[in-house]
Amino acid sequence: RKEVEQDPGPFNVPEGATVAFNCTYSNSASQSFFWYRQDCRKEPKLLMSVYSSGNEDGRFTAQLNRASQYISLLIRDSKLSDSATYLCVVNKGGGADGLTFGKGTHLIIQP
Amino acid sequence: DAGVIQSPRHEVTEMGQEVTLRCKPISGHDYLFWYRQTMMRGLELLIYFNNNVPIDDSGMPEDRFSAKMPNASFSTLKIQPSEPRDSAVYFCASSFSHQPQHFGDGTRLSIL
Repeated sequence: RKEVEQDPGPFNVPEGATVAFNCTYSNSASQSFFWYRQDCRKEPKLLMSVYSSGNEDGRFTAQLNRASQYISLLIRDSKLSDSATYLCVVNKGGGADGLTFGKGTHLIIQP
Repeated sequence: DAGVIQSPRHEVTEMGQEVTLRCKPISGHDYLFWYRQTMMRGLELLIYFNNNVPIDDSGMPEDRFSAKMPNASFSTLKIQPSEPRDSAVYFCASSFSHQPQHFGDGTRLSIL
């Protein structure tokens, strides 16, 4: 099983729609979880951290399910500017500081 | 505030040549990470430093790769000799303690 697994997409979604991605991780020792966003030919940028109780930042909601080892990202009222690749990221756990990145889910918002 | 600064932005060189990538982390950050990104393998952690000390280099592909951090404001990643399969985008990232990482713009490396 891959350490962090995501559906690569692409997800083609009309503007204004709600879209959700899931991500699964294999290391039960992982303690920190993030969603990063990467635009074409740009560096990854932190979108939001993911907390056990779930958290929201504007139109974005992140959820963590430790029992099933998956993380989700929900985007409401999608905008054209949300088109990007969304990377699911978990720390390596066990006191290690490195991060493991999923290969990303490609999202295309269509007008 | 200045972010993570990488140089060069682009590098094209012939196989067998030595390649040196440079990174200046955000001032005050105590962690520095080197990543490589390809279409096939995605973003992979190569090595990271804490307070200038290499902590985990298990991601370094082979002996041709080496990384140093002589001080808190500078790190290098060297490939010698370079091979076409080393072609990728190399990112440097830094963080303070266990806060989220901030990435540089990356170096696009092409080995002919």
